Amino acid sequence: SQTIHQWPATLVQPVGSPLSLECTVEGTSNPNLYWYRQAAGRGLQLLFYSVGIGQISSEVPQNLSASRPQDRQFILSSKKLLLSDSGFYLCAWSARVPNEKLFFGSGTQLSVL
Amino acid sequence: KQEVTQIPAALSVPEGENLVLNCSFTDSAIYNLQWFRQDPGKGLTSLLLIQSSQREQTSGRLNASLDKSSGRSTLYIAASQPGDSATYLCAGSYGSGNTGKLIFGQGTTLQVKP
Repeated sequence: SQTIHQWPATLVQPVGSPLSLECTVEGTSNPNLYWYRQAAGRGLQLLFYSVGIGQISSEVPQNLSASRPQDRQFILSSKKLLLSDSGFYLCAWSARVPNEKLFFGSGTQLSVL
Repeated sequence: KQEVTQIPAALSVPEGENLVLNCSFTDSAIYNLQWFRQDPGKGLTSLLLIQSSQREQTSGRLNASLDKSSGRSTLYIAASQPGDSATYLCAGSYGSGNTGKLIFGQGTTLQVKP
């Protein structure tokens, strides 16, 4: 069966520090991968998605970047965090076929102070 | 602009009651619609996916319907239990090539009282 791992679960970082969140998927090949953010009082917003190694699409302009160095690995990064980067970050995957469900990781609660 | 709206934002019911959660979307050219459950501080769990060609999907005590013409979806929960307490989110996909690109509603937080 397929599983998705996301870490760390919580993170407290000072403004201006770098960020690296990692997500890996097991039990499947060639998944579509996604990073979503859930900010306090706001809905889930798609940040990045990837349909293959090295292929990254950004949905909103922001202080973050994403990379996919391996087929089942997705990384969210920032060189200098802003207060507005605080939120609950969720990695997700779906099979690369139509009408497949989206499966989420357990999330990372990021607090930028 | 494609938007998804969920009303009410919060709902409290006694155990055993049947209930309906509502979801509306502005763009009827929806490819599919998914319902998720989120427990506090946790990730989302997929409940049901309804393709644009379908009218409803069922899983256990859950039944989700889709009416593209009216831009609405409902999630029906039968015989509610305290364990059903969570936030329920609906999300629409508008692309056949990448159905993980979802537009989410704000969610309905459900509390089922024993």
